[in-house]
Amino acid sequence: DQQVKQNSPSLSVQEGRISILNCDYTNSMFDYFLWYKKYPAEGPTFLISISSIKDKNEDGRFTVFLNKSAKHLSLHIVPSQPGDSAVYFCAAMTGNQFYFGTGTSLTVIP
Amino acid sequence: ETGVTQTPRHLVMGMTNKKSLKCEQHLGHNAMYWYKQSAKKPLELMFVYNFKEQTENNSVPSRFSPECPNSSHLFLHLHTLQPEDSALYLCASSQVAGLNTEAFFGQGTRLTVV
Repeated sequence: DQQVKQNSPSLSVQEGRISILNCDYTNSMFDYFLWYKKYPAEGPTFLISISSIKDKNEDGRFTVFLNKSAKHLSLHIVPSQPGDSAVYFCAAMTGNQFYFGTGTSLTVIP
Repeated sequence: ETGVTQTPRHLVMGMTNKKSLKCEQHLGHNAMYWYKQSAKKPLELMFVYNFKEQTENNSVPSRFSPECPNSSHLFLHLHTLQPEDSALYLCASSQVAGLNTEAFFGQGTRLTVV
């Protein structure tokens, strides 16, 4: 049973525009959410996180939004850059465990 | 070296072989994790160690045997694997398991079982 879902396997965005990556979860016990970025042949790299007590966290070009009532998480990247092209994983945490989505492959077109 | 280092990066093994994957973290963390990533599937947690004690075993077959001799090192011993065990195996560490903080990942070992 997949508790964290990323329903869009891929996304293409023009350079300079906004990229919006979405994530849905089912477990209301999740209390910490993270986004990771992964390049081919590398491990996932932590990008940004948000606690369940917040609804927004911003770090430079990256903003994560949390809608607890909808059990929905999103990552906004603005402006998008070609170097942002990678696979983005959403993760949620409860107890000792991180639960990951299947990833969304973002392509930023120059 | 900094961060989380995994060796080897690539491994091809036969079904009757015994091999080990190694993970080392230089971040002063106390929790270490093994994840499996198969194609088109989410990362699957296999094992969690917190202060060298195993705290999670997500119904992993006994042909995978973890070892955590200290907080900086984690091994995954492999024996009599099946072709469906071919995947990317990722090690991660975090400050303390159960604490709301990010995990840092190694680059992974790409395992192929033939």
